[in-house]
Amino acid sequence: SAVISQKPSRDICQRGTSLTIQCQVDSQVTMMFWYRQQPGQSLTLIATANQGSEATYESGFVIDKFPISRPNLTFSTLTVSNMSPEDSSIYLCSVRGGRGNTEAFFGQGTRLTVV
Amino acid sequence: GESVGLHLPTLSVQEGDNSIINCAYSNSASDYFIWYKQESGKGPQFIIDIRSNMDKRQGQRVTVLLNKTVKHLSLQIAATQPGDSAVYFCAEIHSGGGADGLTFGKGTHLIIQP
Repeated sequence: SAVISQKPSRDICQRGTSLTIQCQVDSQVTMMFWYRQQPGQSLTLIATANQGSEATYESGFVIDKFPISRPNLTFSTLTVSNMSPEDSSIYLCSVRGGRGNTEAFFGQGTRLTVV
Repeated sequence: GESVGLHLPTLSVQEGDNSIINCAYSNSASDYFIWYKQESGKGPQFIIDIRSNMDKRQGQRVTVLLNKTVKHLSLQIAATQPGDSAVYFCAEIHSGGGADGLTFGKGTHLIIQP
């Protein structure tokens, strides 16, 4: 199993500002994933963060809005840039046990409210 | 705080009864289907998975059924307990794709009545 810590757990931010969310894993992993969960909704994959290369973004998500860093095999950050109220969501970091391993582990999430 | 299940379909069952949660998926090329449980204020937690070449898999108090003909997945929870109250999501993986991230279904909010 993997233990994932996210910081901050929640924040209230002014529109137009940016917030960087940190994700720390207790073991080395090749791929880390960032998801968004809008209020009362399911999870949507934002991007896959690979160590040593640029993140791979899903349709509808762009690097300028959600820049991602992956400096090593245990850490990643997601920045929500130029925030608007529509960005109010829970943002979750996740890792998987490896290709073919379906058990994904999630952080507790960062609850972001933009006012 | 706001419940993650606020706008999701709700299933209410009596404690001790069995519950069945359903999910429709869209990608016939998916290799694995997984059920996750999400309690309020927490990230999703793995429950059980099933490979696409299977139609049934059992775990402890849970059974997952896969019907590929109609692209339908179900999670059966036997003898429900108060701790089963949560939002349940199905998810699928197409391991031949690039990212190997999960595609989640809409979710169902399960409420266990005492």
